[in-house]
Amino acid sequence: DQQVKQNSPSLSVQEGRISILNCDYTNSMFDYFLWYKKYPAEGPTFLISISSIKDKNEDGRFTVFLNKSAKHLSLHIVPSQPGDSAVYFCAASARNQFYFGTGTSLTVIP
Amino acid sequence: DVKVTQSSRYLVKRTGEKVFLECVQDMDHENMFWYRQDPGLGLRLIYFSYDVKMKEKGDIPEGYSVSREKKERFSLILESASTNQTSMYLCASSSLLTQAGANVLTFGAGSRLTVL
Repeated sequence: DQQVKQNSPSLSVQEGRISILNCDYTNSMFDYFLWYKKYPAEGPTFLISISSIKDKNEDGRFTVFLNKSAKHLSLHIVPSQPGDSAVYFCAASARNQFYFGTGTSLTVIP
Repeated sequence: DVKVTQSSRYLVKRTGEKVFLECVQDMDHENMFWYRQDPGLGLRLIYFSYDVKMKEKGDIPEGYSVSREKKERFSLILESASTNQTSMYLCASSSLLTQAGANVLTFGAGSRLTVL
């Protein structure tokens, strides 16, 4: 059973606008949540994380929001740039194990 | 720059062949992982290892085995390759704890395996 879900397989956004990628999880024991970015033919690269005791973490154009009561997190990219076009994976960790969503393919249109 | 290196980027094998995928990390990480990535299915964990000579099954271990004889090296073995094992294979490593608090996986570039 999928413990981490990304229900939107794809998203298209105009350059300069906000991109919002969503992720839901089922296990309340997760202690960290992470976002990874993946270009074709490359491995995923770590983008940003958030502890389960926080509700927001910001790093430059990237902000992750966590709503524990709803078991939902989101990644905001502002402003979106064409180089942000990639597949984004949401992940949750507990006790050195990681659980990944199925990914959302983001296309930023110039 | 810290690295996870996967020795083969692209491989083409025939059904029934034995396949070795090698992974080396230079970060002195305790934990190493093998995932496969398939469209619409995300990253699925095949095997992981917390220490030398230790291995644990992930979500989809069937048809695979692993070897970790040295801390820096984690090998994935397909004893008899089948067409449904055509996939992108990703190796990753992590330490037990990081300064940032989050235990972050560092991935290799991936190995694209095609089984004919």
